[in-house]
Amino acid sequence: NAGVTQTPKFRILKIGQSMTLQCTQDMNHNYMYWYRQDPGMGLKLIYYSVGAGITDKGEVPNGYNVSRSTTEDFPLRLELAAPSQTSVYFCASSYSPGAITGELFFGEGSRLTVL
Amino acid sequence: ILNVEQSPQSLHVQEGDSTNFTCSFPSSNFYALHWYRWETAKSPEALFVMTLNGDEKKKGRISATLNTKEGYSYLYIKGSQPEDSATYLCAPFLTGGGNKLTFGTGTQLKVEL
Repeated sequence: NAGVTQTPKFRILKIGQSMTLQCTQDMNHNYMYWYRQDPGMGLKLIYYSVGAGITDKGEVPNGYNVSRSTTEDFPLRLELAAPSQTSVYFCASSYSPGAITGELFFGEGSRLTVL
Repeated sequence: ILNVEQSPQSLHVQEGDSTNFTCSFPSSNFYALHWYRWETAKSPEALFVMTLNGDEKKKGRISATLNTKEGYSYLYIKGSQPEDSATYLCAPFLTGGGNKLTFGTGTQLKVEL
C-alpha cells in the first residue's frame, strides 16, 4: 500500500519562483489536506478539500493555491515564493474526520527552502 | 480561529514514570477528537479518534479519555519508555469549524534512561 505520496521530498527555490508540490493517495479518501510545520508552531492548515472539485482555505492560505480535479490528487502550488514559505509541508488524507475511522494519514513531508 | 490548547508544552520524565497530558478545546459543536504521535523527522501517526463523551481508548501503554461537555481530553502513558519520546498532538473536529481539523501545538515528551 502506497498510502499518501508526496513529491518532491526536498526543494530549494529562489525568491519569486513558483512550484507545485504533488500529493496523491490511493485509499479512496474524500478528505485531503495540506499542512505546514513551522518551528514551535505545530501544524498549520493551508488548504483542504472534502471531495473532488471542492477546496477551501485553512488558517494560512496566502501565497498558495490548490486544485482537486480527482479524488486521488491534491497538488499545492506556491506562487512567487517568499522566504516566509520556508517550511516542511505535509499532505494528508482521511475519510470523514468526524467518524471513528476518520484518522488522518500523512505523507512523508516535503522540505522547502526559499532563498 | 479555533482555540486548542495543550499542556504542558514539554515534559521530561525518567524511564518507567507514568505521565499525562491535557488537550482543551471548545465544547460546542463537538464531533470528534483526534490524538497523534509525531516522532522527530517522521510524519504524524494516529493514536486515537474519539467521539463519545466519557469514551476511553487504549493502545498498549497509552490511553486517552474524553470529556466533551467541558471540552478536554487526557492522554496517559504508563511506564514511559525512551521510544515514547515524541510530540503528542490533539485535534478536535467541530461541526462549526468548517469541516476541518485544527491541531494544537502539541506536548513534547522526552523519556530519559
